[in-house]
Amino acid sequence: EPEVTQTPSHQVTQMGQEVILRCVPISNHLYFYWYRQILGQKVEFLVSFYNNEISEKSEIFDDQFSVERPDGSNFTLKIRSTKLEDSAMYFCASSLTGPSGANVLTFGAGSRLTVL
Amino acid sequence: AQSVSQHNHHVILSEAASLELGCNYSYGGTVNLFWYVQYPGQHLQLLLKYFSGDPLVKGIKGFEAEFIKSKFSFNLRKPSVQWSDTAEYFCAVIPSGGSYIPTFGRGTSLIVHP
Repeated sequence: EPEVTQTPSHQVTQMGQEVILRCVPISNHLYFYWYRQILGQKVEFLVSFYNNEISEKSEIFDDQFSVERPDGSNFTLKIRSTKLEDSAMYFCASSLTGPSGANVLTFGAGSRLTVL
Repeated sequence: AQSVSQHNHHVILSEAASLELGCNYSYGGTVNLFWYVQYPGQHLQLLLKYFSGDPLVKGIKGFEAEFIKSKFSFNLRKPSVQWSDTAEYFCAVIPSGGSYIPTFGRGTSLIVHP
């Protein structure tokens, strides 16, 4: 069964450092997403990406965040200058249909980010 | 904005007990509804979904969920849980005709004791 893979599984970083989380979506999927879950809180939508551009983003996704699909397979989330409150589990997901049908997302196992 | 509420944050059961996890949403129109499960150390995976038709939906591993439109609810049930059902369970909603992005609840942690 096709999987969404995420690396690293856990990253510890100092406040103010840049972090890049990587994801390999399912190969024939067209829509890509990042969600995050701060410990004990909701799974929150960050951003969706389609046709090499951001299609939707939440208020959480401010100028500190950026996404990129640099090589046609990887989908990355960059946090430019991490803050303590960025500590969370970050989930990547992909889907085939997006708004054109029943949008079922396939998720990765998550990347846990700890900011010290 | 729509929201998804999962009122049970932590549930502890013994094997063979029955399970019901609550999910309520605030959107008033037509919705697509999902339950996802995350087993320890694994990815979020789809347990079941409702788009239309029979409001009682059967999923994998003996799970089912019932969509009750009048109550804005989509509760997850299993008549007899197993130790292997220990996991985090997430309810998600996509309003039809709006954004295609699912909104998730905060999840329910289920621990099943053998």
